[in-house]
Amino acid sequence: DVKVTQSSRYLVKRTGEKVFLECVQDMDHENMFWYRQDPGLGLRLIYFSYDVKMKEKGDIPEGYSVSREKKERFSLILESASTNQTSMYLCASRPQGQVLEKLFFGSGTQLSVL
Amino acid sequence: GNSVTQMEGPVTLSEEAFLTINCTYTATGYPSLFWYVQYPGEGLQLLLKATKADDKGSNKGFEATYRKETTSFHLEKGSVQVSDSAVYFCALTHRDDKIIFGKGTRLHILP
Repeated sequence: DVKVTQSSRYLVKRTGEKVFLECVQDMDHENMFWYRQDPGLGLRLIYFSYDVKMKEKGDIPEGYSVSREKKERFSLILESASTNQTSMYLCASRPQGQVLEKLFFGSGTQLSVL
Repeated sequence: GNSVTQMEGPVTLSEEAFLTINCTYTATGYPSLFWYVQYPGEGLQLLLKATKADDKGSNKGFEATYRKETTSFHLEKGSVQVSDSAVYFCALTHRDDKIIFGKGTRLHILP
């Protein structure tokens, strides 16, 4: 079965820490996405990647960066975590050019920044 | 720009009630429209989709019709079950690889 795996279900970090959120997919998908989900705001796109070493800013990239060194892995990096980055983070993937096809989502990482 | 507006929740219904969750969109041209569902503790999964005007998407007893004239894609189900309790997201994609999501509607079904 198709799988998008996020490395942690819950994460607690302190303000100022560097945080890595990892996402791995086993479907050989070119496109990968990072969203954050907040009550009343829905899903907002942080970054996406069309292929290895390629990345594009989404709607709210400030305070985040990403890394895509291998096709199956897309990492979200919080260079210096802040309390307003406490959120649920969702990773998703999809084959290249399949705009009409569904996104495959991971189960999410609930990040708390204290 | 493109956007999706869906009714605010939470929506609370009794089992076997009729469900409607409203969704309207703003987009140039002809976007593709989706409903995703998020069950507790899980990521989102596609519920149904429609890719052109007057298309009807359906799955698991849920239906939604792509209405170009009213720019709407309302989700309906004739008889809801407790297991339908979840958060529902309306979404669109148009011309590029990004999907734009609505804010989500939380649905509670009481036994």
